[in-house]
Amino acid sequence: GQSLEQPSEVTAVEGAIVQINCTYQTSGFYGLSWYQQHDGGAPTFLSYNALDGLEETGRFSSFLSRSDSYGYLLLQELQMKDSASYFCAVGGGDLSKLSFGAGTTVTVRA
Amino acid sequence: DTAVSQTPKYLVTQMGNDKSIKCEQNLGHDTMYWYKQDSKKFLKIMFSYNNKELIINETVPNRFSPKSPDKAHLNLHINSLELGDSAVYFCASSPAGTGANVLTFGAGSRLTVL
Repeated sequence: GQSLEQPSEVTAVEGAIVQINCTYQTSGFYGLSWYQQHDGGAPTFLSYNALDGLEETGRFSSFLSRSDSYGYLLLQELQMKDSASYFCAVGGGDLSKLSFGAGTTVTVRA
Repeated sequence: DTAVSQTPKYLVTQMGNDKSIKCEQNLGHDTMYWYKQDSKKFLKIMFSYNNKELIINETVPNRFSPKSPDKAHLNLHINSLELGDSAVYFCASSPAGTGANVLTFGAGSRLTVL
């Protein structure tokens, strides 16, 4: 089976940096993904790490350490529109399922 | 131009009724999924189809029956609805090569069972 742990909520001010940690336990690990979901909306793909290291996409970066079964999503220069839930997810490879963490609610304050 | 579209967006029905949700993707993806999101926002996979073939059935009650007439469509039929079925149901798809790691979700169908 697969299990993931991430903080339930984080609050920060505009312009700040937020790091959302995710630890996982899984068999047959093939990658760690991150998804963003605004209230009432659909989850949308943010990033995917298959190998150790940092992946940067604009203001968002994602990191993976397979030896530590750990990853994080870094949100920089926070904006009000970044207020959303963020989910880490682990995949078991092609044609396999993606299992999601419980999500982290990020609230950005002015 | 919607990539993954599902209908209806909202369903409100009585216990014991049967309902269906339809999903279509125009991305050319080979794999489609149904996920259930409960009131605590927990996303759990229900089914996965690859090229019309069922590949994942995640201990879902047999009141739930998916059907994929072709690789662009995946429908979900639910019989004898129960209160606990109230949730948001998301359809998703993924391309070959990325496996299940990169999903494109539909907008969701919110089911309320009274």
